[in-house]
Amino acid sequence: DTGVSQDPRHKITKRGQNVTFRCDPISEHNRLYWYRQTLGQGPEFLTYFQNEAQLEKSRLLSDRFSAERPKGSFSTLEIQRTEQGDSAMYLCASSLDGVVDRPPEAFFGQGTRLTVV
Amino acid sequence: LAKTTQPISMDSYEGQEVNITCSHNNIATNDYITWYQQFPSQGPRFIIQGYKTKVTNEVASLFIPADRKSSTLSLPRVSLSDTAVYYCLVGARYSSASKIIFGSGTRLSIRP
Repeated sequence: DTGVSQDPRHKITKRGQNVTFRCDPISEHNRLYWYRQTLGQGPEFLTYFQNEAQLEKSRLLSDRFSAERPKGSFSTLEIQRTEQGDSAMYLCASSLDGVVDRPPEAFFGQGTRLTVV
Repeated sequence: LAKTTQPISMDSYEGQEVNITCSHNNIATNDYITWYQQFPSQGPRFIIQGYKTKVTNEVASLFIPADRKSSTLSLPRVSLSDTAVYYCLVGARYSSASKIIFGSGTRLSIRP
């Protein structure tokens, strides 16, 4: 257990429905990341928060995707009007800022597996 | 953003030492090299990070030559439980890579 929890672990939804995932990071971590991973591929970066500010969004994050991190604590990722191509594992990670020039060590949750039927 | 190249897959046997090499020809002066491990149906896990020469922890060693254009993750005496995908990442704290970008990784299979 890394200390990062994601809910739900699995979600099956019908095409066109909206889904929302939650991530609870390690409490003192100010950075929070969302990734998407499909079978056989590495995690693809979706978006990144520094406290409550969403600092960067990937072009992968279409208009149907939105992420929030109110009060800089937990985060939610919502997908509207789901499509079959959205089926993937959605991973959340959190970290501190890093030290000097060192990239931070990210701690990942176990992910939410989404299946769109 | 420094691109990394690593083998798609590797096979080895229990008890052997495994070395996975990552090429990063365009590494920047401030960039660090970080390796993550991912088991099936789990999120990646940080293994080791280094800037130059050699870094060792309880899990692995990381060898970085003077030119820093490549690095080698060394896993001593692997067991079946080391079967996983290993990702090599290059970046610095305040670069765009601070968002932690993964490539395709190396799928390591350990046999009895």
